[in-house]
Amino acid sequence: EAAVTQSPRNKVAVTGGKVTLSCNQTNNHNNMYWYRQDTGHGLRLIHYSYGAGSTEKGDIPDGYKASRPSQENFSLILELATPSQTSVYFCASGDPPGLGVYAEQFFGPGTRLTVL
Amino acid sequence: GDSVTQTEGLVTLTEGLPVMLNCTYQSTYSPFLFWYVQHLNEAPKLLLKSFTDNKRPEHQGFHATLHKSSSSFHLQKSSAQLSDSALYYCALSAGNSAGNKLTFGIGTRVLVRP
Repeated sequence: EAAVTQSPRNKVAVTGGKVTLSCNQTNNHNNMYWYRQDTGHGLRLIHYSYGAGSTEKGDIPDGYKASRPSQENFSLILELATPSQTSVYFCASGDPPGLGVYAEQFFGPGTRLTVL
Repeated sequence: GDSVTQTEGLVTLTEGLPVMLNCTYQSTYSPFLFWYVQHLNEAPKLLLKSFTDNKRPEHQGFHATLHKSSSSFHLQKSSAQLSDSALYYCALSAGNSAGNKLTFGIGTRVLVRP
């Protein structure tokens, strides 16, 4: 079974502060993803990565940065947190698609972030 | 761009009755379709995914059929159980997506009552 962990699980931050959310996966998957989940919007992709050293912008990257220092770790960074970034954040990992096959993504337990 | 539409925000039904969740999509390329399920305070996890050879995927009593002519991938179950209460997401991965990126719908919450 895929194993994706996130830390912290809950975080309260102040407006303008810096927040770092961490994700670790032990599946040796090449691809990793950061999503935020909001009622009425579903899961939206913020950043993703093809492997160590790579980061790519997703659909809603503004206000977020990402870092992939190793195969196992993928961080999401909010340099100047705002109340609009209050949300639940999910990390996921998965293999790149094979010939005619699209692999599933495995999600971590989520981080609930509140920005006051 | 790619998009997924789930028309029901909340579906409430009685245990033992059938359930169908609607999912339609738009994509420039021939996409793969997925259903993910998220139980309360848990992570989303894969429930079903479409096949390339038109087989009908089934899991835990749920099944879905990809209809390319109508761009739909509706989720069905003949008899709902209390444990089926959860949030269900339809998602697609476009045929050109090297990163295997997923585009999700807004989700349908299912509440099964005794």
